[in-house]
Amino acid sequence: GENVEQHPSTLSVQEGDSAVIKCTYSDSASNYFPWYKQELGKRPQLIIDIRSNVGEKKDQRIAVTLNKTAKHFSLHITETQPEDSAVYFCAASGYSSASKIIFGSGTRLSIRP
Amino acid sequence: KAGVTQTPRYLIKTRGQQVTLSCSPISGHRSVSWYQQTPGQGLQFLFEYFSETQRNKGNFPGRFSGRQFSNSRSEMNVSTLELGDSALYLCATTTWGGEETQYFGPGTRLLVL
Repeated sequence: GENVEQHPSTLSVQEGDSAVIKCTYSDSASNYFPWYKQELGKRPQLIIDIRSNVGEKKDQRIAVTLNKTAKHFSLHITETQPEDSAVYFCAASGYSSASKIIFGSGTRLSIRP
Repeated sequence: KAGVTQTPRYLIKTRGQQVTLSCSPISGHRSVSWYQQTPGQGLQFLFEYFSETQRNKGNFPGRFSGRQFSNSRSEMNVSTLELGDSALYLCATTTWGGEETQYFGPGTRLLVL
């Protein structure tokens, strides 16, 4: 069945450094790859997404890359700040409105001052 | 627009009891997905409803069920509660599903004693 693997499960970086989270997916029909951020005690919220017709997308300090051949995609956060501390989830879904969205297991990112 | 709402926010039950949780989507959203979130297990997909029909289902036992009403509000029910059902239950809604951004509710935290 469909599966999304996410690594690492925990990540600690120095404030100002970059953080990279990687995901792989199994369903070759997947075409939509969102990333969600969940702060402690809050609901997950979309921070960036990418579709299969694009290899890279950037929004200020956040960027996502997609390699459809290898079936993996990554989240890059540059110049990390304390407010970046949260759990990040990757996900994969097909184009069809009936497609399931499958989430990765999450990465707990901690920013050291 | 008002956001996704879930009731109740907190619930304490004992083993063997049953529970019903409610999710009211953003106005105009017809797809409602349910997730179970436990520490270390990420977001486990339960099921998705669209136009009062279950469109997708995850790998949970039959004790977990749901339904959707004509106004798109959805309920999920867990019968014969077990200790392992203690979790945060989140619903997420979209207009049609698939590659749309999912908007999460605040969740219902269920504790089974």
